[in-house]
Amino acid sequence: EPEVTQTPSHQVTQMGQEVILRCVPISNHLYFYWYRQILGQKVEFLVSFYNNEISEKSEIFDDQFSVERPDGSNFTLKIRSTKLEDSAMYFCASQSGAGGIYGYTFGSGTRLTVV
Amino acid sequence: DAKTTQPTSMDCAEGRAANLPCNHSTISGNEYVYWYRQIHSQGPQYIIHGLKNNETNEMASLIITEDRKSSTLILPHATLRDTAVYYCIVRVSSNDYKLSFGAGTTVTVRA
Repeated sequence: EPEVTQTPSHQVTQMGQEVILRCVPISNHLYFYWYRQILGQKVEFLVSFYNNEISEKSEIFDDQFSVERPDGSNFTLKIRSTKLEDSAMYFCASQSGAGGIYGYTFGSGTRLTVV
Repeated sequence: DAKTTQPTSMDCAEGRAANLPCNHSTISGNEYVYWYRQIHSQGPQYIIHGLKNNETNEMASLIITEDRKSSTLILPHATLRDTAVYYCIVRVSSNDYKLSFGAGTTVTVRA
C-alpha cells in the first residue's frame, strides 16, 4: 500500500535554529498538508498546499513557517527560528483529489524537540 | 464544518464488536462523515467515510442515521491492536481541504 514517508523520525534542535522537516507524499497525489500535535493535545491543521501554492493556512502558521515542494516529489516544512513551544509531532499528509470522496493518507510523523 | 460530539472513552472486550457513536446534529447536505484513528503517537489512519448510505470496508462499518445527525462506527471483532483514539470528523466535500480533529474517543480493547 502506498505510504507517505517523513524524515527524520525525531529531530532535536536548539531554540532559535532553523529546522526543515521532510515528507515524500504518495506519488500521484495532488494535495499536501502539514499538521502538528503537541504532546497530549489535539491534532492541529497547519497548512494545505496545491498547485505549488498555499491553499489555506491556520493562525499557527505564521511568518516563521514556510512550505515548499522543491522537486516535484519532496514536500518540506521549514521553521525559521524555533521556539520551545514548537516542540510537537509534525504530520505530513497527502490526498489524491479534492472533495469528500477522497481520504487523506498521513505519514508517521516527525517528533520535533526544541531545547 | 459541523461540530461532532463523541464520548471521551470506552472499553471493549477483545473479540467483541465495538460500537463508537458520534453526534453531528448540525451536519449539512454536502458534508461527509469521516472516521480516523490514531494509535499511540502515530499518524492518523483513515478508516472509513460516508455521506448518506451505510458503508463497509475491511476495517469497519459506518452506519449513518437517516436524518444524518449521528453515526456509529462498528469494529466487528475488536483486537488489542484496535486500542487507539478514534476521531469522527465532518468535512465539506469541496473547497475546504483541512480536517478538524477533536479530542476523539479513546478506545481500550481489553483481553
